[in-house]
Order: sequence, then C-alpha cells, then structure tokens
Amino acid sequence: KAGVTQTPRYLIKTRGQQVTLSCSPISGHRSVSWYQQTPGQGLQFLFEYFSETQRNKGNFPGRFSGRQFSNSRSEMNVSTLELGDSALYLCASSPGTTSGTYGETQYFGPGTRLLVL
Amino acid sequence: GESVGLHLPTLSVQEGDNSIINCAYSNSASDYFIWYKQESGKGPQFIIDIRSNMDKRQGQRVTVLLNKTVKHLSLQIAATQPGDSAVYFCAPLCGNNNDMRFGAGTRLTVKP
Repeated sequence: KAGVTQTPRYLIKTRGQQVTLSCSPISGHRSVSWYQQTPGQGLQFLFEYFSETQRNKGNFPGRFSGRQFSNSRSEMNVSTLELGDSALYLCASSPGTTSGTYGETQYFGPGTRLLVL
Repeated sequence: GESVGLHLPTLSVQEGDNSIINCAYSNSASDYFIWYKQESGKGPQFIIDIRSNMDKRQGQRVTVLLNKTVKHLSLQIAATQPGDSAVYFCAPLCGNNNDMRFGAGTRLTVKP
C-alpha cells in the first residue's frame, strides 16, 4: 500500500495570508490526525478527523481548522498566518475505529514544511 | 492533559553498543504506548508498540519495557547502527482515543 502523502512538501507564505495543506491517508484508513512540529514545542496534536467529523482537538486557536472528505482525504487550513506558525505540519492516518479498547498505531506522512515570513 | 517527559534529550553511543532511551508519562490511564523514530527531514516512523497488559515486547533489535507502577517505559536498541541516529519519541494513548501527546524526543547519535 502507498503510504501517507502530503502536499505541498514546502511552502512559503507571508504574515496575514492563509494556507491550506492536504493529506491523503493510507488506503482504507479512516482516521486522519494533524500535528505541528517545531524545535521549541516539539510535536503537538492539532486535531483528528474520522468519518468527516472532528473527533479530537488539541489546544490550538481557531485560526487552525480542518476538514475531511468522504474519501478520507483531509485538509487543514491556517488563516491569518503568524511568524510562529512556521513549522513542519505532519499528517498521520490510522484504520479508525469507533469502539475498541486500545488506541491505534498512526502512520505519518513526510510533512509539509511551512515558512511564514 | 497528558504530560510526557523524556529523561535525556540527547544520547550519544558508539556503533555496536546498546542504547536505552527512557520515557516517563503522567496519565496512569494510558494503556497503549508507541515508540516512533524520526530521521532528519522525514515524518515519524513507527518502531514498536506495547499494550498495558504487557511489561516487555521485543522486535528486531529493539525491546520496549513498560513499568506501569512508576509510569515509565524504555526503548532498548541492540547493536546500535549509524542508521539508528534519529530523534525517538514515545506516545502514550488512552483507550481508543487517537490523540497522541508526544514528549520532546531524545536525539540518538551513533558514533562510528
């Protein structure tokens, strides 16, 4: 199976602009999670989508949003970009279950590196 | 929320030696733990996992030990190779919640 793919791989924006990042999960995976990685804060959870619904949410401002399509592909959007939004944005997918005892292994894509000038 | 900490932010070992990377977690309800490896310029890669009903799990050259009493787990890499150089993260999960809270990671450097 193909792995998780993310586009674009690199992006440069200026403050105040908005950006949309795309993630295609592993075929058959229904859960997609987004993470922000910076040298100072490490890997931080943004949100998780399952069946086109946001199932979990991290502690990020409302400028960060996402959505998931019926084919499980997901996009995340950041509006009114700030310098501090410069980071590697990682997408991870997992099979996705609505019940079960344990969490699932998530498989990461290569990330989109965003630079805000 | 979950608090995850790593005892050593950096670890340098000689090629061929064994490496031990530690991770402490705070949520006693965590019942599933994953170790990830992240090489420069790449996304995290799954290494090994362990469920809370186990205290040890072995993979190829890697072993994870879980001590629920002190909320600590470790990743042991046998015969460390240059290709093992990366940042290692542990991710505790609770129930079927896919919200992973990572620690800062430990950077492992393997000297030839």
